[in-house]
Amino acid sequence: DAGVTQSPTHLIKTRGQQVTLRCSPKSGHDTVSWYQQALGQGPQFIFQYYEEEERQRGNFPDRFSGHQFPNYSSELNVNALLLGDSALYLCASSLGQGGETQYFGPGTRLLVL
Amino acid sequence: RKEVEQDPGPFNVPEGATVAFNCTYSNSASQSFFWYRQDCRKEPKLLMSVYSSGNEDGRFTAQLNRASQYISLLIRDSKLSDSATYLCVVNRLDGYNKLIFGAGTRLAVHP
Repeated sequence: DAGVTQSPTHLIKTRGQQVTLRCSPKSGHDTVSWYQQALGQGPQFIFQYYEEEERQRGNFPDRFSGHQFPNYSSELNVNALLLGDSALYLCASSLGQGGETQYFGPGTRLLVL
Repeated sequence: RKEVEQDPGPFNVPEGATVAFNCTYSNSASQSFFWYRQDCRKEPKLLMSVYSSGNEDGRFTAQLNRASQYISLLIRDSKLSDSATYLCVVNRLDGYNKLIFGAGTRLAVHP
């Protein structure tokens, strides 16, 4: 049973660039949530996708956008990268919008120079 | 004020020690509570859910006090392998499943 997978594992970008991160949910799960974890902090909720729509959003600017595909996989896009966007980006999957247990992928570590 | 607050640590304890982590949350609408464990440079993994009646899983005991909006985790007989960051997590379940994390408490167990 495949767990949550994310790609790439590491990424280095420069300020102003754009980045796309990818996530495949755990088999059988249909909901994907994205979190940003800065060094020394807990993960912060970015947004959640269910039925290919963004259902809820945290306190992140419009530079952060996403997409969910019919196979439930998801992408996170960040435009006009800032130094402060350097973080571990985590994807979590669950079953249904109200599914309590979220399973996290290994994350993508983004460094913005 | 952060919605979920934890002792930042680090907690440095010898093997075999008992250690307790505390957590408070500010939103009384919070409905579900969890402890996650995160190893260095890895993803968070669910350690246990927390219920008002308290629950135990081997050496780990979690307690919830809704009136005080307080959550605790007790680890007995600490092992070297318990060294990690422990994240207190709440979920409002307002139709959506949005986890709110504390900043985490780091535990280092030494021989």
